[in-house]
Amino acid sequence: IAGITQAPTSQILAAGRRMTLRCTQDMRHNAMYWYRQDLGLGLRLIHYSNTAGTTGKGEVPDGYSVSRANTDDFPLTLASAVPSQTSVYFCASSDSWGESPLHFGNGTRLTVT
Amino acid sequence: AQTVTQSQPEMSVQEAETVTLSCTYDTSESDYYLFWYKQPPSRQMILVIRQEAYKQQNATENRFSVNFQKAAKSFSLKISDSQLGDAAMYFCAYRSAYSGNQFYFGTGTSLTVIP
Repeated sequence: IAGITQAPTSQILAAGRRMTLRCTQDMRHNAMYWYRQDLGLGLRLIHYSNTAGTTGKGEVPDGYSVSRANTDDFPLTLASAVPSQTSVYFCASSDSWGESPLHFGNGTRLTVT
Repeated sequence: AQTVTQSQPEMSVQEAETVTLSCTYDTSESDYYLFWYKQPPSRQMILVIRQEAYKQQNATENRFSVNFQKAAKSFSLKISDSQLGDAAMYFCAYRSAYSGNQFYFGTGTSLTVIP
């Protein structure tokens, strides 16, 4: 089934540890995104990539990094986790431009203690 | 960055009744795309309906329809014959037709369906 796969589904992480959230899509979409969802704040864009080899900063990029080595994979790394990064993280993808909607993964619930 | 506002954090509706969720946005662009997403307790994000700003006709998908008022920058979602399975968080989203691929989301409306 075509779609986006995120891993892990959930994770508890000690503050200061490094963590990479994985995201893979098989729809050959050019654009990929990482959002975090927090109660009352909706979805906020962390980083995005319009095409393989390029990345850009979203609304809340601090403390996160991404890479886009190929079309399918878009990992999100927390170099040194802090409790404020406790959130649900969604990876998404879309065709470039137009009325193509976002397709979402099922999210990763991350708790930083 | 564009701003999307959902002014109703919570709404409730009786089963089989109709409910309207509001969404407004701030933009100076003439062409863009608007979306409504549903997020049930499963956490999955599901596309409900989409609308292109240049299309005059309001989009409809079964029991879901929109009231798109371009001049007022309003994009409300109407759910008719509400069902228990409609209970979810609903997010409105904006996508520019010009500048990049970014989507901007509102803060969401939590819909409760009362049996």
